[in-house]
Amino acid sequence: KAGVTQTPRYLIKTRGQQVTLSCSPISGHRSVSWYQQTPGQGLQFLFEYFSETQRNKGNFPGRFSGRQFSNSRSEMNVSTLELGDSALYLCASSLGLGLAGEETQYFGPGTRLLVL
Amino acid sequence: GENVEQHPSTLSVQEGDSAVIKCTYSDSASNYFPWYKQELGKGPQLIIDIRSNVGEKKDQRIAVTLNKTAKHFSLHITETQPEDSAVYFCAAGNQAGTALIFGKGTTLSVSS
Repeated sequence: KAGVTQTPRYLIKTRGQQVTLSCSPISGHRSVSWYQQTPGQGLQFLFEYFSETQRNKGNFPGRFSGRQFSNSRSEMNVSTLELGDSALYLCASSLGLGLAGEETQYFGPGTRLLVL
Repeated sequence: GENVEQHPSTLSVQEGDSAVIKCTYSDSASNYFPWYKQELGKGPQLIIDIRSNVGEKKDQRIAVTLNKTAKHFSLHITETQPEDSAVYFCAAGNQAGTALIFGKGTTLSVSS
């Protein structure tokens, strides 16, 4: 079974621009979560989508948004980029059904975003 | 807000020794505790997880213990090997296993 894939793997943008990152979950997984990883703050939860609806949200400004399509693929968008948005953005997928003993998040390789 | 503290931040051991990483969490509603290993240039990979109805779980050289009363859980790696060198993260989450709150990570170095 193919793992979680993320595109692009690397991205360079300048301040003020916007960016869209894409994530394809493992086949059959309906939950997609996004995380930001930086050396200073570590891994921080951005949001989770399940069946095209945002189900959980972390403490990030509204410049960070996402969506999920009917095939469970997800995109996240960051508008008005700031230097501090430079990070590794990780996507993770799971079944999302909340079944005890069944839920495990599998991470993709991430998209490394550099904001200049 | 919810918080997960992880110690130590760095850990150096000799090949064959044991390594222990400890985490504490603040949200008493958390009931899922995974451990991830991250190698350079890769995403985190799940190595073991434990749920709140279990006190201990073992998988070959790796074991995790959970003390829900004290709100802490630990990762134990026995007979360490150089390939165990990586950054290890603990996390706490809800029943669905999503919206994970991560610790800051432990860089484990195993020297031969």
